[in-house]
Parts: sequence; structure tokens; C-alpha cells
Amino acid sequence: GESVGLHLPTLSVQEGDNSIINCAYSNSASDYFIWYKQESGKGPQFIIDIRSNMDKRQGQRVTVLLNKTVKHLSLQIAATQPGDSAVYFCAENLENYGQNFVFGPGTRLSVLP
Amino acid sequence: EAGVAQSPRYKIIEKRQSVAFWCNPISGHATLYWYQQILGQGPKLLIQFQNNGVVDDSQLPKDRFSAERLKGVDSTLKIQPAKLEDSAVYLCASSLGTGTPSFGGELFFGEGSRLTVL
Repeated sequence: GESVGLHLPTLSVQEGDNSIINCAYSNSASDYFIWYKQESGKGPQFIIDIRSNMDKRQGQRVTVLLNKTVKHLSLQIAATQPGDSAVYFCAENLENYGQNFVFGPGTRLSVLP
Repeated sequence: EAGVAQSPRYKIIEKRQSVAFWCNPISGHATLYWYQQILGQGPKLLIQFQNNGVVDDSQLPKDRFSAERLKGVDSTLKIQPAKLEDSAVYLCASSLGTGTPSFGGELFFGEGSRLTVL
């Protein structure tokens, strides 16, 4: 389940289960969103993106859902693996503001054996 | 394709000293970003360059932080004098384009430079 840690919300899942990571974004004018994965000691790594004219986009083992009504993004990871353990950030880009991304606070995903 | 290169990876200094970080973006990427990531938080944009011009530096503490991107390629970020609260990872990122992003308009990040101010 989810819990609020000292710094980051943490989601613990069993290996093989599906994971759902949520993100509330701040600006209704944001038109492009990205999910990043950050492993310890590394820079954020692109996972999947979605534009505001879409509700859903699928990649390999990952799906991003966008609900503009409530300004909510979710990242679903199918058949979670130990290598998925990391901190996940959503980033939003403000419409007509070039490529200026604002990052959310992040969620730590821990995959249990 | 080579990724975004940053150096140094780690730096420890005392408060009031100065430090500089260097970034070489992916070849051909017009836009370069410096982000500050404090432990347990998401990256926060400090400055964004498009080629060698500044697009956004609204969150850069200009009394102590400076950045430049001469010739529109690599970039340096300097802090002088450093404060304890500057302890963070400084991430450089680059992206291909300008204007409204489309699919594939993501930022590519370097490994970061971890600064500890004592």
C-alpha cells in the first residue's frame, strides 16, 4: 500500500503484481506530460509521455492515464520487477511555454521479493 | 549516441567557498537546462538556455548563482558563495527542440553533480 515517508510517498508492491503510481499536477494549462524513473545516484530517465488531447497511452509494460478534469496522472506498471524499484516523477509542460517542465515531488516504488 | 556529460560527479566544499559545474549536452540539442534536486524532492528548474540565450532564469538565485552557455554548446553553473542549503544534486538536461513539445520532446538528463556544503 501507499504511505507517506519522511520525504517521499512510498509504494510497496510484490514482484509480479501491477503498480499504480499517482500524480496530481498543478496547472490546467499544461499540455504535455512525462513520467521519469530515477534510480539511486542517477539522473531521471524517460519512461513515457502523453499529450493533453489523449486520455491514455501505452508503452512496453507501462500505461499512462490522464484525467484533465481533476488534473491527475497515473503510471501503471504491469508485472512489476525488482529492476522497477526507483523513484518516479511526473513532469508537466505548460502550454505555449516552450519546453519548460515542472516536476512533481516523486513516489518511491519498492518491489518486494 | 553519447549522453549528457557532467562533471564533477561529487564535490564537497565549505560554506562561503565557490564551486563550478560543467555540462556537455547531447550533440545537436538546442535546449539546455540546469535543475537543482534537493534530497527527497523533485528537480527544480534553475535556468533554461535555448542555444546560447537564456529562456528562463526566474528561479535562479542570482545573488550567488550564475550560468553561461557560450557558443550554444556546453555550459557551466557557478555558485559563489555557497550556503549550507545549496547542498543538492545539480542535474543538467538537454532536449532537441524549441517551441511546443511533441512526442519525443523529452529531456535527457546527465548523472548529476552532487554538492555537499559543510
